[in-house]
Amino acid sequence: IAGITQAPTSQILAAGRRMTLRCTQDMRHNAMYWYRQDLGLGLRLIHYSNTAGTTGKGEVPDGYSVSRANTDDFPLTLASAVPSQTSVYFCASSDLSGGKNEQFFGPGTRLTVL
Amino acid sequence: AQSVTQLDSQVPVFEEAPVELRCNYSSSVSVYLFWYVQYPNQGLQLLLKYLSGSTLVKGINGFEAEFNKSQTSFHLRKPSVHISDTAEYFCAVRGVGTGTASKLTFGTGTRLQVTL
Repeated sequence: IAGITQAPTSQILAAGRRMTLRCTQDMRHNAMYWYRQDLGLGLRLIHYSNTAGTTGKGEVPDGYSVSRANTDDFPLTLASAVPSQTSVYFCASSDLSGGKNEQFFGPGTRLTVL
Repeated sequence: AQSVTQLDSQVPVFEEAPVELRCNYSSSVSVYLFWYVQYPNQGLQLLLKYLSGSTLVKGINGFEAEFNKSQTSFHLRKPSVHISDTAEYFCAVRGVGTGTASKLTFGTGTRLQVTL
């Protein structure tokens, strides 16, 4: 593993189903993020975590939940998917120490909710 | 809170021509500024960033950007583009001294289309 991996690459899901998008990083970054990307809207922050054991809400958190049990993993769960959650989801991480500020992104998960 | 405006949703340009992608931001505090590039079906990759110091920032692939505090702008430029520069470009901002959240606010993106 190098950098950030996301799984699955793509998924078609029936409305009402539960889905967990996985994200793993091997850079030992303390902060991790989930974004959704929609045409004409850019990237919008769903949830974030500054360190293992803590999470926070971003710009569009409704319908999503996250957990951060350890440094490397940051899964995003849709408890009951709806068609408006059709999007491309990106996980990112950053090292908050030293003021580096750069966020590194995974390859994305394309989710279609029917 | 911060906001970012990318004024052009699409920019068509011929190969070897210069290009400028515009970005304006709004913030009540000092900011860090970033440009990311997204190639088709890929994640975002950092092109360059302004944290402090010289207002002219050079990045990868021959791109550069200039931070203009009075105009609250951070326009991206390249003197001669290549076909391989065809991609989506995102400007992003985060406030300085807003704690450790380091949340980025992204613009809506500019699609750079380079043709022969």
